[in-house]
Amino acid sequence: DIQMTQSPSSLSASVGDRVTMTCRASQGVSTYVAWYQQKPGKVPEILMFDGSTLQSGVPSRFSGSGSGTEFTLTISSLQPEDVATYYCQKYDSVPRTFGQGTKVEIK
Amino acid sequence: QVHLVQSGAEVRKPGSSVKISCKVSADTFTIYTISWVRQAPGQGLEWMGGIVPMFGTANYAQRFHGRVTITADESTNTAHMEMSSLRSEDTAVYYCARDGPSPFCHGTNCYSQNWGQGTLVTVSS
Repeated sequence: DIQMTQSPSSLSASVGDRVTMTCRASQGVSTYVAWYQQKPGKVPEILMFDGSTLQSGVPSRFSGSGSGTEFTLTISSLQPEDVATYYCQKYDSVPRTFGQGTKVEIK
Repeated sequence: QVHLVQSGAEVRKPGSSVKISCKVSADTFTIYTISWVRQAPGQGLEWMGGIVPMFGTANYAQRFHGRVTITADESTNTAHMEMSSLRSEDTAVYYCARDGPSPFCHGTNCYSQNWGQGTLVTVSS
């Protein structure tokens, strides 16, 4: 099975900082990667799909890129409401494996 | 707007089974994959398996194959996940999630657009 590896596992940044996290697939998955945001104590929500397409309603400070085996999620200007754990998931085939998550905190 | 409503929290003893339901409020229940995802306390998301109700056959992550059964009842728009031989490590919140209409899917595989509220399953003697 294809593994999804996220880095870093956690990060702390100041409000207004640019934040980038990475998701690497052990084999190519084209652009079939989604990103989910899970705020503390809440249900995960879809943030982005097809590697870089924002879900409707997601602020434009979020952006994504990548194809094949390497994907990035960037928050251009970190806001307090962005405190959450972010998960990537491949959906090219089953199993639809998740990465282990990147926890984002405010410094 | 699609809503997924899951059954309530469960407490089970090791070695027993649990069955969780997920009712979907959507006319298109049969054509989109319902996935089950679990999250142990303080841990990440783990995809367990999924089913397209109109096809009736589920796919499972290897580690759950043989211990988890996912079914879908078209008459009630409800999906079920049953897990047997429970152990303490199965203590987790279990989510159902549904794919939706999207041009960015890959066949029957897609991202999950809508999620249930989660069901806490506690396995303890």
